Amino acid sequence: DVKVTQSSRYLVKRTGEKVFLECVQDMDHENMFWYRQDPGLGLRLIYFSYDVKMKEKGDIPEGYSVSREKKERFSLILESASTNQTSMYLCASSLRGSSGNTIYFGEGSWLTVV
Amino acid sequence: AQSVTQLDSHVSVSEGTPVLLRCNYSSSYSPSLFWYVQHPNKGLQLLLKYTSAATLVKGINGFEAEFKKSETSFHLTKPSAHMSDAAEYFCVVSDYTGRRALTFGSGTRLQVQP
Repeated sequence: DVKVTQSSRYLVKRTGEKVFLECVQDMDHENMFWYRQDPGLGLRLIYFSYDVKMKEKGDIPEGYSVSREKKERFSLILESASTNQTSMYLCASSLRGSSGNTIYFGEGSWLTVV
Repeated sequence: AQSVTQLDSHVSVSEGTPVLLRCNYSSSYSPSLFWYVQHPNKGLQLLLKYTSAATLVKGINGFEAEFKKSETSFHLTKPSAHMSDAAEYFCVVSDYTGRRALTFGSGTRLQVQP
């Protein structure tokens, strides 16, 4: 069964802290994505990666960075967390090459910044 | 550019009655279209997808959707609602003009009354 695992489901961090959200997929997918989901705003793409060490900015990259050192792992980094980054973060992955490829999502990470 | 409009933010039905969740899209190319479901505090799960084969697509849990190019619509239906169908549903378009792949609708929350 396909699996995208977000290791931290619920986090509470202080303003200014550095935060790491980890995501691992076991499907050998080339593409990996980070979205944030907020009420009334839907899902917004933060960053995506189409290969190891490759990354591209999504629609709302400000305040975030990412790391993809291994194919199966894609990390989202908040260099200095702020309260407006309180949100649900969703990691996803897919095969490269076709617009019809299914994107598989993790269960989400709820981040609260106080 | 591509876009997705989910015409209803909330839909309420009685258990055992039909479900209709409406989605219109725009795309410069031949798109792939998806419906995802999200239960509370969970990630997104694929219900079904259209990728230029049969225009009537059957998915999991008795859901189906029909791709109508002339109407640029991809409405989701189910003949008989079940209490477990209560969730948020997202219509998604992908035309792969870039690597970004997906554009999400704003979501429709389905309530099922006993």
